[in-house]
Amino acid sequence: AQKITQTQPGMFVQEKEAVTLDCTYDTSDPSYGLFWYKQPSSGEMIFLIYQGSYDQQNATEGRYSLNFQKARKSANLVISASQLGDSAMYFCAMREGRMFSGGYNKLIFGAGTRLAVHP
Amino acid sequence: SAVISQKPSRDICQRGTSLTIQCQVDSQVTMMFWYRQQPGQSLTLIATANQGSEATYESGFVIDKFPISRPNLTFSTLTVSNMSPEDSSIYLCSARANTEAFFGQGTRLTVV
Repeated sequence: AQKITQTQPGMFVQEKEAVTLDCTYDTSDPSYGLFWYKQPSSGEMIFLIYQGSYDQQNATEGRYSLNFQKARKSANLVISASQLGDSAMYFCAMREGRMFSGGYNKLIFGAGTRLAVHP
Repeated sequence: SAVISQKPSRDICQRGTSLTIQCQVDSQVTMMFWYRQQPGQSLTLIATANQGSEATYESGFVIDKFPISRPNLTFSTLTVSNMSPEDSSIYLCSARANTEAFFGQGTRLTVV
C-alpha cells in the first residue's frame, strides 16, 4: 500500500512568490519522521527539512517550512520567496519507527512533484 | 551533517558487464542504504548495508544481481551485475546523521 502520497505531479510558481507542495502519509506507528528532498536535474538528492512525529512545532529551515498537520496526516512543504534555482523535483519521504542509537529505519518516498519557477 | 562521496557520477556500460559503485562517508555510520531511481520514477530501496554482516535486500532485489560490500563504518560498494538496458537508472547511496538522512551525488547508469 502506498504510504506517501504526492498528488501534484507538477507545479509552477512565479519567482518571489510562495508555493506549497503537498504530501500526505499513512502509518499506524506513533513514532515516525518526515523528510523533504530536492532533486535537481543533476540527480543528487539534497536534504531540505525534517519533522519528527513528536515535534511540537513545525520545522523551518531558511526559506523552507513544513506545515505539519498530524491529525490530517499531512506534511506539506512551503517554499517562500521562490527563486529560479528552486526549479527541481521535490520528494517527500517517511521513516517509520523510533530511531535507535547508531542507525535509522529505511525511508519510503513519494512519487515526487516537479516544480518550475518562472521569472 | 554528513558528506557522502559517490563515484562514478555516471557511466555507460555494455550489456552483460558489471559496474561497481562506491560511497565514502566522512564520518562513521552504522547503516548505509542503496536506492535505485528508474527514469521518471521515485526512489526504491535496494538494500540496507550493515558493517560486518550481510546486506538486507528488499523484495524484488537479490544479492546475485546487486552484491553489496560494507568493509567498515565509512565505506560501501554496490555492484550491478550482468547488466541489461533495464538497469539504466540513477543509483544512490544514503546514510543517516542524527535525524537527517543524506545522499551521495548519485550514479547515472546507462546500459547499451
